[in-house]
Amino acid sequence: DVKVTQSSRYLVKRTGEKVFLECVQDMDHENMFWYRQDPGLGLRLIYFSYDVKMKEKGDIPEGYSVSREKKERFSLILESASTNQTSMYLCASSSSGGAHEQYFGPGTRLTVT
Amino acid sequence: RKEVEQDPGPFNVPEGATVAFNCTYSNSASQSFFWYRQDCRKEPKLLMSVYSSGNEDGRFTAQLNRASQYISLLIRDSKLSDSATYLCVVNSRSGSARQLTFGSGTQLTVLP
Repeated sequence: DVKVTQSSRYLVKRTGEKVFLECVQDMDHENMFWYRQDPGLGLRLIYFSYDVKMKEKGDIPEGYSVSREKKERFSLILESASTNQTSMYLCASSSSGGAHEQYFGPGTRLTVT
Repeated sequence: RKEVEQDPGPFNVPEGATVAFNCTYSNSASQSFFWYRQDCRKEPKLLMSVYSSGNEDGRFTAQLNRASQYISLLIRDSKLSDSATYLCVVNSRSGSARQLTFGSGTQLTVLP
């Protein structure tokens, strides 16, 4: 059974703080993704990675960066958190073969005050 | 125009009813299609893949019409536990086969 875990379920940070969100998957998947989900806007892709140390921008990368030093771990970094980054953040992983089904972590609800 | 469009609903139906959701996608080169289910305050989970010939999984039937760029999900004999948001998902990125594009979801509430 695929398991994707995220470091926190709920997080409250102040404007300007640096924020780290961590994601770990245990299925040896090559691909990992970070999304944010907002009411009415659905899931929007921030960044993804298809290999260790590789990353590609998604639809809304501004204000975010990522790190993938190990295959199982993909981190999302908010260099200087802002109130418009208050959202639900979802991590996902998938294998490179097959139809690219993605498996999601439970999400981190981030509030920036 | 959004790459994947769904009617947001909400759809409120009585138990036992049949309900259908539709979804359109804009990229004719799309290769893979899915329906995901997301319960309130939970992560999305794969409900079923959608194949060109159509496919069924118990009470759920998915159809794909490539000519019209249209995907549907039919739920028969609705149960209270079917209440959730249903996301239409398409692999439609020309640059990377690894990416999926998610619709905003259709909310279903099954009423007792």
